[in-house]
Parts: sequence; structure tokens; C-alpha cells
Amino acid sequence: SQTIHQWPATLVQPVGSPLSLECTVEGTSNPNLYWYRQAAGRGLQLLFYSVGIGQISSEVPQNLSASRPQDRQFILSSKKLLLSDSGFYLCAWRKGSYEQYFGPGTRLTVT
Amino acid sequence: GQNIDQPTEMTATEGAIVQINCTYQTSGFNGLFWYQQHAGEAPTFLSYNVLDGLEEKGRFSSFLSRSKGYSYLLLKELQMKDSASYLCAPGGYIPTFGRGTSLIVHP
Repeated sequence: SQTIHQWPATLVQPVGSPLSLECTVEGTSNPNLYWYRQAAGRGLQLLFYSVGIGQISSEVPQNLSASRPQDRQFILSSKKLLLSDSGFYLCAWRKGSYEQYFGPGTRLTVT
Repeated sequence: GQNIDQPTEMTATEGAIVQINCTYQTSGFNGLFWYQQHAGEAPTFLSYNVLDGLEEKGRFSSFLSRSKGYSYLLLKELQMKDSASYLCAPGGYIPTFGRGTSLIVHP
């Protein structure tokens, strides 16, 4: 069976500091991978998606970036965090046109 | 783009049936997801409708009408643990999420 991992689970970072969130998927190959953000009381906002190694599409221009160095690894990064980057970051995977599943999420608070 | 409309909040009584509606306007439609999200947790997959009609999974059923841009999630025999947000997500390749419907189940 497939599982998806995210870490860390929670993170508190000062404004201006860098960020690196990691997501890995087990039990499947060549999945589509997604990064979403959910701000408090708001819906899920798609940030990035990837259909393969090194292939990243950005949905929202901002100070975040994503990379996919390996087939089942997806990384979300920032060089300098803003207060507005606080939120619940969710990684998701999908195989073809089938169901999409989410990881447990990382709750980021920028202070 | 996608426009998604769901009620913001609904309340129901334990043991009852509730229907959560979702209307959408979308380009490139290729299916519609329903997710359940408890407070502070990640969304969990409930259903994925690609074709018109009703799909049943235990206490939960989901309906889709592609021509009308309409879907609903039906929850039967409500339990307290069903109190959560329910997210409708139309789209194909990249599901788009609305803000969800907060369902409160009371005794």
C-alpha cells in the first residue's frame, strides 16, 4: 500500500529565515505530487505540482519554490519567510487520473 | 479556472441524514472529489466521481451531474465524529478546492 510522509509536523520560524519542508511517498512510482497551503479559515490553495523528476509547475507567484530531486520526493523551500507564509502545508500524491491522497501536513507559524 | 459554491456551514442531529451540495463552473472537467477534514488534520479522501450518477460507500454517497455542474455528498446515520469540514474539489488533472462546508452534528 502507498503511504505519504511529511516532516516536520510543526514548525515555528522567524520572519526572514529559510524554509525546507519535505514530502516522500512510498509504495508507488512516478506519482503526480502537489503542494497545497491552507491558511486559517480558508480553503486549500495549490502552490506547486510536479509530474516527474525536475518538472515543477507553479500556480501562485510568491517567495516559495519547489523541487523534485527524486521520483518520490517533493521539497518546498523559501529563502526568506514572510508572516503571510504561515499556514498548514499539505503534500499530496496522485497516480494518473485516480484518487488524490494527502500527507499529514506541516503546520508552519512565522513569527 | 474553477468556481466552486458550497454552503459555509450546516448543522444536523445525530442519526439523521444530511446532504451537502456543491455547484461548480470549470474548464477541463475530469472528475470531482469529496474530502473530509477534521479540525487541525489533513483532508481524507471520501469519493471520486467521474461519471454521472450516485456512488455509495457505506454511510456516505456522492452524486454527480456533469451537465448541471452539480454534486452532492449524502451522509446517513450521522455520528458525532462526522462533525468536520467537507471539501468539494472538481477538476481533472489538478483538483481545485473550495472553502468547504463545516458540518456540526449535535446530539
